[in-house]
Amino acid sequence: EVVLTQSPATLSLSPGERATLSCRASQNVGPYLVWYQQKPGQAPRLLIYDTSNRATGIPARFSGSGSGTDFTLTISSLEPEDFAVYYCQQRSNWPPITFGQGTRLEIK
Amino acid sequence: EVQLVQSGGGLVQPGRSLRLSCAASGFTFDAYAMHWVRQAPGKGLEWVSGISWNSGRIAYADSVKGRFTISRDNAKNSLYLQMNSLRPEDTAFYYCGKDFQNLVTAIFDNWGQGTLVTVSS
Repeated sequence: EVVLTQSPATLSLSPGERATLSCRASQNVGPYLVWYQQKPGQAPRLLIYDTSNRATGIPARFSGSGSGTDFTLTISSLEPEDFAVYYCQQRSNWPPITFGQGTRLEIK
Repeated sequence: EVQLVQSGGGLVQPGRSLRLSCAASGFTFDAYAMHWVRQAPGKGLEWVSGISWNSGRIAYADSVKGRFTISRDNAKNSLYLQMNSLRPEDTAFYYCGKDFQNLVTAIFDNWGQGTLVTVSS
């Protein structure tokens, strides 16, 4: 099973700042890394698939990079609506599909 | 507009059964794989099960294998999760998820609203 470790657990930033979220895989997942955003009381929302492809309707301030075992989600300039929990997920080697434990992005 | 409307959650005693449903609309249901993902209250996401468009490929997480059964009825545009021998650790919000493409990509591009299953005596 591929274990995904996200860091930091919590990230405190202000609107307008740049956010960098990390996801590390326990084995090589190639480019098959996905990012989701989840707000309280809501279902997750697909942001980025296969490392760097933005899903439909996702603003350009969201970008993804990396390969193999180390991946990054970057939000270039935080908007108030971006404060949420972010999960990475691998689809390289499944079952099982696995998720990271999440990074909470909170307003400083 | 893609819509996934879930039903069937609730409070159930340990060892009992429950069936979740997910009614799909706004897309060609029988062309897409579907999945179930759960989230214990205040915790992270856990993939539960997935099924290909024609039910030819089915997979489960080890934590539910042998107890849960995923199925679909393409004529009714519906996805199901039959949960037997429920345990307290199965308590979670359960989400149905639509696969991104007509292959089984394991990318979830649309999600249901979630339904809470509570297993407790």
